[in-house]
Amino acid sequence: QVQLVESGGGVVQPGGSLRLSCAASGFTFSSYGMHWVRQAPGKGLEWVAFIRYDGSNKYYADSVKGRFTISRDNSKNTLYLQMNSLRAEDTAVYYCAKDMDYGDSVFDYWGQGTLVTVSS
Amino acid sequence: DIQMTQSPSTLSASVGDRVTITCRASQSISSWLAWYQQKPGKAPKLLIYKASSLESGVPSRFSGSGSGTEFTLTISSLQPDDFATYYCQQYNSYGRWTFGQGTKVEIK
Repeated sequence: QVQLVESGGGVVQPGGSLRLSCAASGFTFSSYGMHWVRQAPGKGLEWVAFIRYDGSNKYYADSVKGRFTISRDNSKNTLYLQMNSLRAEDTAVYYCAKDMDYGDSVFDYWGQGTLVTVSS
Repeated sequence: DIQMTQSPSTLSASVGDRVTITCRASQSISSWLAWYQQKPGKAPKLLIYKASSLESGVPSRFSGSGSGTEFTLTISSLQPDDFATYYCQQYNSYGRWTFGQGTKVEIK
């Protein structure tokens, strides 16, 4: 069965950096696009970033463009999110999600999430 | 960006009720709309995609309809397991995915 397991969250000071990882299993990771989606405490869902199956194209929300970088290592079945210049408003649970693909770019499987807290 | 607006924000209902949630897009998104269910402390779960296609394993009491700018999620007979928050999401704009603000379905 599909499994997505995020790690790397924690407490970081404003201006700091953090790298999240998402270990994938149960499907052919190298064949699917992958997303990061976040949810601030008590708030709704916000799409953050997407990377195509081969890493050839990447897209970012305006709120993180220039500060966050999405990447993947298909040999390790792992997705990453490098977060720099973190701000208080980046505090959220970060989910990785698999893209359904084949014409429907929706999030069909999600990880359990990892909490990032930006605070001094 | 395409804005997604859900109504109502909160809905109080009883087990067995028919429940309808509306999602409106700021511009036409054809049928590129999905619905998710989220329970407290859990990841969202895909229910519906392409406006009306039921995801595998999702109970048939869930259905979706609409196209263009107006969409609905209907639960035909609300069950105890359905009390949760529901989100719509558009994927008409590749690379600019957006969600609605959510609708919380509460016990009346």
